[in-house]
Amino acid sequence: GAGVSQSPSNKVTEKGKDVELRCDPISGHTALYWYRQSLGQGLEFLIYFQGNSAPDKSGLPSDRFSAERTGGSVSTLTIQRTQQEDSAVYLCASSQRQGNNKETQYFGPGTRLLVL
Amino acid sequence: GDSVTQMEGPVTLSEEAFLTINCTYTATGYPSLFWYVQYPGEGLQLLLKATKADDKGSNKGFEATYRKETTSFHLEKGSVQVSDSAVYFCALISGTYKYIFGTGTRLKVLA
Repeated sequence: GAGVSQSPSNKVTEKGKDVELRCDPISGHTALYWYRQSLGQGLEFLIYFQGNSAPDKSGLPSDRFSAERTGGSVSTLTIQRTQQEDSAVYLCASSQRQGNNKETQYFGPGTRLLVL
Repeated sequence: GDSVTQMEGPVTLSEEAFLTINCTYTATGYPSLFWYVQYPGEGLQLLLKATKADDKGSNKGFEATYRKETTSFHLEKGSVQVSDSAVYFCALISGTYKYIFGTGTRLKVLA
């Protein structure tokens, strides 16, 4: 079956513009995660969606960042008024929630964002 | 809070050399431990995992043993290949859904 897909694969934008990043999780996976991978850094947790529960937004770095997940499937991460420090690879992952901390996350290829 | 520490890279080895990438962790409770690999231009893939103390995860010739007494999960391979060149991430998940990742170790294998 298909894995996690993300689009676009690359995005170049000007400072101050808004961008939308899309994630299609694996069909049937109830949990969806967004991470940010900056140069030379590990993965930074951004937001987590699980089914119809309220998302955990505790990792979002500022109020310029928001995300939604429609119909429990596709998710969009929006960055408003982009800044140069937002340049990074944005990774999406999904998992079949087991609730016992043994689950495996499956990652998409990421969107490489460059803010000029 | 929970954390993962990996050895700094890059690590450069000749083909067929022995590989060790160190990983230590700090966590409350009993975390599950993972190694993910990121090949050039691709997303992260699960390489192996271990869910309790003394478990050994293995895949594609790579191994890692969950050592609770030393809070470590070092990745090893007896004979690396050029195709193993990638970035390797150690990670844990502890009682929640949040993964904690290390900063990654870049491995370059020379023919």
